[in-house]
Amino acid sequence: EPEVTQTPSHQVTQMGQEVILRCVPISNHLYFYWYRQILGQKVEFLVSFYNNEISEKSEIFDDQFSVERPDGSNFTLKIRSTKLEDSAMYFCASSETAYTQYFGPGTRLTVL
Amino acid sequence: QKEVEQNSGPLSVPEGAIASLNCTYSDRGSQSFFWYRQYSGKSPELIMFIYSNGDKEDGRFTAQLNKASQYVSLLIRDSQPSDSATYLCAVNSLSNQFYFGTGTSLTVIP
Repeated sequence: EPEVTQTPSHQVTQMGQEVILRCVPISNHLYFYWYRQILGQKVEFLVSFYNNEISEKSEIFDDQFSVERPDGSNFTLKIRSTKLEDSAMYFCASSETAYTQYFGPGTRLTVL
Repeated sequence: QKEVEQNSGPLSVPEGAIASLNCTYSDRGSQSFFWYRQYSGKSPELIMFIYSNGDKEDGRFTAQLNKASQYVSLLIRDSQPSDSATYLCAVNSLSNQFYFGTGTSLTVIP
């Protein structure tokens, strides 16, 4: 069964460093999303991406964040100048329509 | 601020019973409504979605939507120990952003 994959599973970085989180969506899906979940808190929408551009973004998704689809398969989230409060689980999701989102296993980001 | 509210639980039901999970939302413009299951340390897994008022059934799961009351629920019939997880309610707003509740922790007791 096709699935969304994410790498790395765990990323440790120093405050102020840049990180890139990678996702491979399901191949025939057209909609891509990034979410984050701080430990013990709710899942928070960051951004949605369709037709090679951002379709929606939340207030959390400020200039520190960017997304890219560098090739036909990868979908990346870049966080510039990481802060302690960026420590969270980051989930990528993809969907064929706007309804059935499939989540990847997540990348745990730890900022020291 | 668009909010999705859920009772955090924990909700405990005996095996074979019906588990009832509730969710309210604040944005009347919300278009579609989702229930996810999240096991500890894992990613959310979509159970079902609903966008019309009324009931929608899928196997042991029934989602109910009442837009006038801004209320969504999920019923799990014949609950199994494997259903023990956190259940997340999510809504898709008119701006096509997704808002999640904090989740309800369900424990099914064998």
